[in-house]
Amino acid sequence: GQQVMQIPQYQHVQEGEDFTTYCNSSTTLSNIQWYKQRPGGHPVFLIQLVKSGEVKKQKRLTFQFGEAKKNSSLHITATQTTDVGTYFCAGGSNYKLTFGKGTLLTVNP
Amino acid sequence: KAGVTQTPRYLIKTRGQQVTLSCSPISGHRSVSWYQQTPGQGLQFLFEYFSETQRNKGNFPGRFSGRQFSNSRSEMNVSTLELGDSALYLCASSLGWESTYEQYFGPGTRLTVT
Repeated sequence: GQQVMQIPQYQHVQEGEDFTTYCNSSTTLSNIQWYKQRPGGHPVFLIQLVKSGEVKKQKRLTFQFGEAKKNSSLHITATQTTDVGTYFCAGGSNYKLTFGKGTLLTVNP
Repeated sequence: KAGVTQTPRYLIKTRGQQVTLSCSPISGHRSVSWYQQTPGQGLQFLFEYFSETQRNKGNFPGRFSGRQFSNSRSEMNVSTLELGDSALYLCASSLGWESTYEQYFGPGTRLTVT
């Protein structure tokens, strides 16, 4: 079945440093979604990418969808303490959304 | 618009018992998905319901079951609880069951099996 791998599993940064998490699928995806889960909270939708090579930005967050639609990345520029949480990617294929295991980001102020 | 609600929020059960969790989706949402979340395992998909029909199912044993009612509310049941079933159970609702629909998660039910 479809598998979505996400790396790294954990990332600790100093406030102001950049952060990137990567998502790789074993199969070609129709779309990819990104979610953020704050500590003690529930996942919240951030963005969706559907086109090959698509790049979207939300303030300091940049999302990319690979040309082959099998990988994606989330890059945060100049992290802040408010960025703390677990970031999940979710790959869509054949009416099914498969979540990666997430990357836990901690930020040292 | 009210968000996704889940009841109960916390539950403590004994091994061998059964449990039923409830999820009320956002008004107008007809798809409900259930996930199990444990540390280090991310979000593991249990099943998805749309219009009272199970559309997708994850790789969980038959002890895990669910259903959806005509008002889109959903329940999941776990029978013969095991210690490993301790987890946060999240439900998510969306407008449709295609993967391009945004998922709105509820706060979850924290299940502890002793």
